[in-house]
Amino acid sequence: AQSVTQPDIHITVSEGASLELRCNYSYGATPYLFWYVQSPGQGLQLLLKYFSGDTLVQGIKGFEAEFKRSQSSFNLRKPSVHWSDAAEYFCAVGAGDSNYQLIWGAGTKLIIKP
Amino acid sequence: SAVISQKPSRDICQRGTSLTIQCQVDSQVTMMFWYRQQPGQSLTLIATANQGSEATYESGFVIDKFPISRPNLTFSTLTVSNMSPEDSSIYLCSVRQNEAFFGQGTRLTVV
Repeated sequence: AQSVTQPDIHITVSEGASLELRCNYSYGATPYLFWYVQSPGQGLQLLLKYFSGDTLVQGIKGFEAEFKRSQSSFNLRKPSVHWSDAAEYFCAVGAGDSNYQLIWGAGTKLIIKP
Repeated sequence: SAVISQKPSRDICQRGTSLTIQCQVDSQVTMMFWYRQQPGQSLTLIATANQGSEATYESGFVIDKFPISRPNLTFSTLTVSNMSPEDSSIYLCSVRQNEAFFGQGTRLTVV
């Protein structure tokens, strides 16, 4: 079955500390992988995506993610978080064909300690 | 990229009534996706709308409760029918052009 697992419901980090959000997927075909962020009361914004090529991808707001096929993972990282990074983060996987939906993880809520 | 205009952005409705949500995309797309996002939860797909055919509903969602129209390649509506407080949620339309693009969402409160 196709699925996305974000094992951490929430994560609390201190401002300035590094961050890693975990994402594992189960997908039968070549996966297209995404991270989205949703700030309180806001819409969903794409942080970064992986389709092929270099397995370390850079995104907006200083985020990066690494695709590890052997581990079926696509973890999101940031070297130093800012208070404005407090939000809900969603990992998603899908086919290359845009006629198919993305499969969404349950989300990880990031809380920033001052 | 795709820009999606979704309306209304929010509404408060009486139980037993219906609300129709509209989404307009700035380019032609084959499929449009309707999601529900309950507070603090992830996205749950309600249905996939293909122009010219009946929408495909996910398990737990039925056409009588969530009728969908897709009259052309840039527009779709989702109606939430005979509403109850349990229908209070955010409803999102989405399209994919590799990545997913979303409308700003409709925050529905049923009282």
